[in-house]
Amino acid sequence: AQTVTQSQPEMSVQEAETVTLSCTYDTSESNYYLFWYKQPPSRQMILVIRQEAYKQQNATENRFSVNFQKAAKSFSLKISDSQLGDTAMYFCAFLNGQGGSEKLVFGKGTKLTVNP
Amino acid sequence: GAGVSQSPSNKVTEKGKDVELRCDPISGHTALYWYRQSLGQGLEFLIYFQGNSAPDKSGLPSDRFSAERTGGSVSTLTIQRTQQEDSAVYLCASSLYYEKLFFGSGTQLSVL
Repeated sequence: AQTVTQSQPEMSVQEAETVTLSCTYDTSESNYYLFWYKQPPSRQMILVIRQEAYKQQNATENRFSVNFQKAAKSFSLKISDSQLGDTAMYFCAFLNGQGGSEKLVFGKGTKLTVNP
Repeated sequence: GAGVSQSPSNKVTEKGKDVELRCDPISGHTALYWYRQSLGQGLEFLIYFQGNSAPDKSGLPSDRFSAERTGGSVSTLTIQRTQQEDSAVYLCASSLYYEKLFFGSGTQLSVL
């Protein structure tokens, strides 16, 4: 079974600075997807960024980028120019791309606080 | 509406009572998921519906939990004889393509 580990329960960063959230996963599959979701106090999970395992190029979405190290099974999220609105829980998630088990496996999350 | 809608937003119940949680997915989405988020934990998969296929119930924690999806749209998660350990946020998600899930805002269930 796949597992996702987020080793940082809480992190803080000053507004406008850069922060990196860590995520490692364990799988024997070769085709899969990795995600970072943001959960603000409203509770709604919002997709931040997605990476297909077969793509070597790291995904980027505006201020958010990932460092995907497939051999190391590492998938970290970098937030540049942090904003107060980035304060939220961040969850790393794994999805098997082989089909037949289409359910996301989540880590336990990292609580990020952006300080003014 | 444009998004996944869940009701009620909050539910307080007494131990031993039954509760029903509702999820209205995005129109046209064939897949629907239920997840449970306990305090300080990640999201735990409960059940998955895809079109007319038999649901994947592998995540339901006990036979007190059940879910149905009527007409391929609205879903109801039912918890019978609630226990205090059932207290959690229950999140619903829907998708058209399985790698793009859209989540609702969840139901916060508190069992006293």
